[in-house]
Amino acid sequence: EAGVTQFPSHSVIEKGQTVTLRCDPISGHDNLYWYRRVMGKEIKFLLHFVKESKQDESGMPNNRFLAERTGGTYSTLKVQPAELEDSGVYFCASSPTTGTGFKGYTFGSGTRLTVV
Amino acid sequence: RKEVEQDPGPFNVPEGATVAFNCTYSNSASQSFFWYRQDCRKEPKLLMSVYSSGNEDGRFTAQLNRASQYISLLIRDSKLSDSATYLCVVISNFGNEKLTFGTGTRLTIIP
Repeated sequence: EAGVTQFPSHSVIEKGQTVTLRCDPISGHDNLYWYRRVMGKEIKFLLHFVKESKQDESGMPNNRFLAERTGGTYSTLKVQPAELEDSGVYFCASSPTTGTGFKGYTFGSGTRLTVV
Repeated sequence: RKEVEQDPGPFNVPEGATVAFNCTYSNSASQSFFWYRQDCRKEPKLLMSVYSSGNEDGRFTAQLNRASQYISLLIRDSKLSDSATYLCVVISNFGNEKLTFGTGTRLTIIP
């Protein structure tokens, strides 16, 4: 089966610009997550969708970040306007419906965002 | 204090040796525990879940000590392909699949 796909793999933008990251989860996975790793720090949770609903967005840094998951399929994460501290690797992950025992996510290969 | 703490290393270990990593977590209510592996510029991949009874997968053994709130990973007969960053990961809340990561321990196996 196809894995979690993220696009673009790399993005370099200027401070103040807008960037939109996209994630296509594994088909049929209701749960979709966004995580971020900034330089020198641990990977941190941003938010969790169950289908099209935001289950937990406690990790979103501020209101410059907007995540959507229209129709419960792919998700986008928009950063507007981007700041230097937003640079990092943004990972998306998906997992099937809970109830069968959590067995870990499948992560996408990430989008490396550089804000200059 | 970080919720999950790991020694960042690096650990430089000769091929064939045994290496062990530890990780501590601060939330005593944490429910689930994992080791993930991350290769350079790649995504994290689940290596194994960790149970109180201990579990083994080939050359890899993981152990959880709830009383001391630490998790260990032992790699026996290390291979060059084991070179990677090993991430200790915890789920703190029951029914919530939010992963909390340590910063990772970097391992390099030397020929």
